[in-house]
Amino acid sequence: AQKVTQAQTEISVVEKEDVTLDCVYETRDTTYYLFWYKQPPSGELVFLIRRNSFDEQNEISGRYSWNFQKSTSSFNFTITASQVVDSAVYFCALVRGSGGGADGLTFGKGTHLIIQP
Amino acid sequence: EAGVAQSPRYKIIEKRQSVAFWCNPISGHATLYWYQQILGQGPKLLIQFQNNGVVDDSQLPKDRFSAERLKGVDSTLKIQPAKLEDSAVYLCASSLNRAGFSGNTIYFGEGSWLTVV
Repeated sequence: AQKVTQAQTEISVVEKEDVTLDCVYETRDTTYYLFWYKQPPSGELVFLIRRNSFDEQNEISGRYSWNFQKSTSSFNFTITASQVVDSAVYFCALVRGSGGGADGLTFGKGTHLIIQP
Repeated sequence: EAGVAQSPRYKIIEKRQSVAFWCNPISGHATLYWYQQILGQGPKLLIQFQNNGVVDDSQLPKDRFSAERLKGVDSTLKIQPAKLEDSAVYLCASSLNRAGFSGNTIYFGEGSWLTVV
């Protein structure tokens, strides 16, 4: 069985601070994919990044960066110089590499990020 | 490119009544998912279609929920009879192919918000 844990239920920081959202996952599959999604109040889940289990390179996209460490089964997300528009619920998710079975996303419970002006 | 379309956006019904949600995936996407998101939780997969066939419906409460994707494009999710605990956001998502194959990105619609009173 797969599991994704986002231990931080809510984080509140002041604008321009850096913030890291933690994600720890469990899976028995050797091939899998990790995702981060952003959910603003409108409800739509917005895709941020996809990472496969064989690529442990960190990735940076503007103010966003991701740190993937298989040794600790973690896929953490950092926002640098946070802005009020970053306020949302962020979800980490996992999908198994398809061997013919079901491959829907398994989500964590989400971290509600509040950026105060 | 048009995103995943869902309707209605909001629905309020009394318990024991029925409701149906419609989803039109991104053009050309073979895989379609329905997720249920209860307030404060991460989305939970209800059913996954590949074209017009069901890949996984293990978490669909089949005594009251049904879903179909007859022509491999649009899909309908029905609840009959509704219970109070069915109050949630129902998210439709689609991907070009199965997410487990090379980590295809899953794109989500804005969701259908259901309140059962």
